[in-house]
Amino acid sequence: AQSVTQLGSHVSVSEGALVLLRCNYSSSVPPYLFWYVQYPNQGLQLLLKYTTGATLVKGINGFEAEFKKSETSFHLTKPSAHMSDAAEYFCAVTQTGANNLFFGTGTRLTVIP
Amino acid sequence: ETGVTQSPTHLIKTRGQQVTLRCSSQSGHNTVSWYQQALGQGPQFIFQYYREEENGRGNFPPRFSGLQFPNYSSELNVNALELDDSALYLCASSLARTGAKDTQYFGPGTRLTVL
Repeated sequence: AQSVTQLGSHVSVSEGALVLLRCNYSSSVPPYLFWYVQYPNQGLQLLLKYTTGATLVKGINGFEAEFKKSETSFHLTKPSAHMSDAAEYFCAVTQTGANNLFFGTGTRLTVIP
Repeated sequence: ETGVTQSPTHLIKTRGQQVTLRCSSQSGHNTVSWYQQALGQGPQFIFQYYREEENGRGNFPPRFSGLQFPNYSSELNVNALELDDSALYLCASSLARTGAKDTQYFGPGTRLTVL
């Protein structure tokens, strides 16, 4: 069975500070991993995804994530937070042969001016 | 290129009623998935349609049903509404050439409130 755990339902950072959102997954086979962002009253927008190859994945808006198999983690980072980064972030996992994403419960990011 | 659209934006129903939610896929996409997002939770998979056939289903009862049309638009129908059905319903489309690792593009959702 696949699952995702997002540590910290709420994270607050100062504008310009490092953003680190944590995601750990469980999967019995090589996973495909995704980060999505959801702004208020909107749907989900893909930030980045890992399927195969390079374990450091760069996404939109300056975000990146590193797939660490030994730690079963796929943490999302951004060197310098902007006010516009305030949103809900979801980590998701799937695998070959599956047809759906398994989402974590989300982390709400607040950026303090 | 038109993105995924959903209608209506908001809907209020009472217990026991039936509801139909609609989704138009992104241009060129032949696969549609529906997710339920309860307040404060991550989206949960309801089912997926590929070329008008159901192609997988999550842990939802049969009163949740769907359709996909030849133009790849889709409907989600929920019968005998319950209070716990109150949620944001998200539609996502993808081009299933590569399967699971394909990006799913989400619509803005329909907010359903059951009173």
